[in-house]
Amino acid sequence: KAGVTQTPRYLIKTRGQQVTLSCSPISGHRSVSWYQQTPGQGLQFLFEYFSETQRNKGNFPGRFSGRQFSNSRSEMNVSTLELGDSALYLCASSATGLRTFFGQGTRLTVV
Amino acid sequence: GENVEQHPSTLSVQEGDSAVIKCTYSDSASNYFPWYKQELGKRPQLIIDIRSNVGEKKDQRIAVTLNKTAKHFSLHITETQPEDSAVYFCAASNTPLVFGKGTRLSVIA
Repeated sequence: KAGVTQTPRYLIKTRGQQVTLSCSPISGHRSVSWYQQTPGQGLQFLFEYFSETQRNKGNFPGRFSGRQFSNSRSEMNVSTLELGDSALYLCASSATGLRTFFGQGTRLTVV
Repeated sequence: GENVEQHPSTLSVQEGDSAVIKCTYSDSASNYFPWYKQELGKRPQLIIDIRSNVGEKKDQRIAVTLNKTAKHFSLHITETQPEDSAVYFCAASNTPLVFGKGTRLSVIA
């Protein structure tokens, strides 16, 4: 099976812009989660989608949003980018909501 | 919500020695405890996991132990090798996964 695939791998954006990140889960996995990874804060949970419904949400501002499509693919959007949003954004998929597998991540740099 | 503490933040061992990383969690409802290994520039990779109804699990040189009463779990790596050098993350889940801040393990040849 192909693993979790994220696109793009790298992004450079300017403050105030918005960005959309994409994630294709492992085939058959219906749960998709997003995490922000920074050197100081580790892996922080953004949100989880299951069968197109947001099942859990982390403690991030409303500028961070996501959605899941009927084929389980997911997108994450960040509006009005801030310098502090620079991070590695990781998508992860799971069949059961437990054993979870990560994509390679999208490294976002905000300048 | 769940809070996971992980110690130590850095760990250096000689090749062939054992390494132990410890985590504590706060939510007694958490029932799943995975460990991930992240090499530089790569994705976190699931290396072993344990459910709350199991006290210990072993896979070759790595093992995880869980003490539900004390709410702590540990990763044990025996006969460490240079390729074990990486950042290791513990996590606890009652959905979603909540991660510790990681342990940077260096195995010195």
